[in-house]
Amino acid sequence: ETGVTQSPTHLIKTRGQQVTLRCSSQSGHNTVSWYQQALGQGPQFIFQYYREEENGRGNFPPRFSGLQFPNYSSELNVNALELDDSALYLCASSSQGRSYGYTFGSGTRLTVV
Amino acid sequence: DQQVKQNSPSLSVQEGRISILNCDYTNSMFDYFLWYKKYPAEGPTFLISISSIKDKNEDGRFTVFLNKSAKHLSLHIVPSQPGDSAVYFCAASNSGGSNYKLTFGKGTLLTVNP
Repeated sequence: ETGVTQSPTHLIKTRGQQVTLRCSSQSGHNTVSWYQQALGQGPQFIFQYYREEENGRGNFPPRFSGLQFPNYSSELNVNALELDDSALYLCASSSQGRSYGYTFGSGTRLTVV
Repeated sequence: DQQVKQNSPSLSVQEGRISILNCDYTNSMFDYFLWYKKYPAEGPTFLISISSIKDKNEDGRFTVFLNKSAKHLSLHIVPSQPGDSAVYFCAASNSGGSNYKLTFGKGTLLTVNP
């Protein structure tokens, strides 16, 4: 059973640029959720994708967008990067659009300079 | 507005003793609670959960207690081991509504000293 894999592990971008983060879900999971963890904070829900559609969204602006592919992998896109976007971005996979049974990836550390 | 609060940023205990991590919540719609453990450079890993129909759940050295009237839960680790040193996050979900997401606290850094 493969776990959740995220790429890249680290990334440095300049303010105003765009970034794409990738996530492969655990085998057997059809749902992917994205969380942002700022320094000293707990993970904050960005959105969830289930059956290739957005299944719920947290309090993040539209410049945060995502995709889910037929193989259940997912991308998180952030446009017009701001310094406050610097954080650890966590992907979690689960089943049936639920938060129970999350398996988290190790995250992508994004630094915006 | 923090709906899940972990008021102790850190906790230090001796190996073999009990570790007690606390969590408070404000949203009365939360009915499912989880604890996650996180090591540096790794994602959070699930530890134990409890539904609001229960007031206690045990799994080996880990026990979670839920006090619904006080909107408070706690995680007990007995006996504590050095390998338990990590950041512990409390998380909550509303199974009747937005069950697709978890709301996390800020975490408590537990250090278990040999």
